[in-house]
Amino acid sequence: GAVVSQHPSWVICKSGTSVKIECRSLDFQATTMFWYRQFPKQSLMLMATSNEGSKATYEQGVEKDKFLINHASLTLSTLTVTSAHPEDSSFYICSAYTGNTIYFGEGSWLTVV
Amino acid sequence: QKEVEQNSGPLSVPEGAIASLNCTYSDRGSQSFFWYRQYSGKSPELIMFIYSNGDKEDGRFTAQLNKASQYVSLLIRDSQPSDSATYLCAAYSGGGADGLTFGKGTHLIIQP
Repeated sequence: GAVVSQHPSWVICKSGTSVKIECRSLDFQATTMFWYRQFPKQSLMLMATSNEGSKATYEQGVEKDKFLINHASLTLSTLTVTSAHPEDSSFYICSAYTGNTIYFGEGSWLTVV
Repeated sequence: QKEVEQNSGPLSVPEGAIASLNCTYSDRGSQSFFWYRQYSGKSPELIMFIYSNGDKEDGRFTAQLNKASQYVSLLIRDSQPSDSATYLCAAYSGGGADGLTFGKGTHLIIQP
């Protein structure tokens, strides 16, 4: 079964609104989680590294004020896309580090209309 | 800078044949290696990992590691159309989660 759970699987929102995506590690504590974005037929793009109890580390070119990441507990990280625009429509995937490997969540399809 | 290189493909293999996916890595300090499979529109799933030089078999999958050549491969025996996907290789150099580097993936197509 899944070791990393992501919710929601898909969401449609209006332009200008905010959307929150949750990533939970099941049966293990994840001090580090990762958030990726993937456009159709393209490779995974790492957006940020989320560390429990501290600020996330964002990759170059990713707006930290637009993509808010909160890792408040050892089993939960959230990504909030603020003031979403159609160009933010994408497949967002989280992953969690177990201590010796990384498992991915099921992904969340975001469509901004 | 640590890099993991994969041929993006597509790699086309007839059904029933052996599919061979290759990966090279730049960091000689890499300790373990992972293969993930990603279907279109889905997130990656872990297939297997390997730590030691040589072969590691799991069902139809065999991972091969050659640390001297900085080369890791994944063989898929008796390829099925359902194996058509993008395969991601990752190398772990230790030091926590920052030590994991992904390749960009190889697109595999199994022709019926």
